[in-house]
Amino acid sequence: GEDVEQSLFLSVREGDSSVINCTYTDSSSTYLYWYKQEPGAGLQLLTYIFSNMDMKQDQRLTVLLNKKDKHLSLRIADTQTGDSAIYFCAERTGGYNKLIFGAGTRLAVHP
Amino acid sequence: DAGVTQSPTHLIKTRGQQVTLRCSPKSGHDTVSWYQQALGQGPQFIFQYYEEEERQRGNFPDRFSGHQFPNYSSELNVNALLLGDSALYLCASRGQGSEQYFGPGTRLTVT
Repeated sequence: GEDVEQSLFLSVREGDSSVINCTYTDSSSTYLYWYKQEPGAGLQLLTYIFSNMDMKQDQRLTVLLNKKDKHLSLRIADTQTGDSAIYFCAERTGGYNKLIFGAGTRLAVHP
Repeated sequence: DAGVTQSPTHLIKTRGQQVTLRCSPKSGHDTVSWYQQALGQGPQFIFQYYEEEERQRGNFPDRFSGHQFPNYSSELNVNALLLGDSALYLCASRGQGSEQYFGPGTRLTVT
C-alpha cells in the first residue's frame, strides 16, 4: 500500500539541530522528497534523495535514508526562527510518479 | 523564470456551483499534477496531465476534471461543489528531471 507517516510536532531551540522523521510503505518508491510550507503558502522543495542512496547533504540539510526500514529523516543544522514551518515528507511512486505525502511535521523554533 | 503560477489566489463559491482553477508550469516543464490540501493535512493527488492527456488519477470523483493546453498550462474544474471541497488546491510541474515544483496554490472556500 501507499502510506507516509510523520510525527506531528517538533520544538527546538534556536541554534540546535532539528531532526524530522518519516516512514513510508512503498518499497518501490524511486525518490523521496522534503518540502517546506509556511503559513498561507505553497510547498517549497527543500531536497530529495534517490532510493539507492543512503545520505545526501545540502548546506544545512542532511537527508538520511534507511531503505530496509523504510525510514527517512531530515536534519536541519543550526536551526533558525525562519525554519519554523510545516515540513512534508513525500514518496514518488506508481507508474507515473505521483507523490504521496505525510500529514506534515510542524517545526517550532524558540529562542 | 517565474516558476509555477496559479490563479486565482482565493475564491469563494456556493454549494452546487462550478469552479475553474488555472496553472502555468515552470518554464521547460511538460507534466502538470494537481493536489488538494485540506486544512491540517498533507496534499492528496488528484490527477496528472502529460501531452494534453490525463494519465493518472487519484481517488477523486468525476466531479473533478481537468485539461492541459498545448503550451502545457492546465485547468482544474470542479462541478457541483460541496462544502468538503474547501481546500488549498496546488499545482505541481515537472520536466524530465526528478524535481517537482509547486505553485502557491488557490484557496477555495465553499459556503
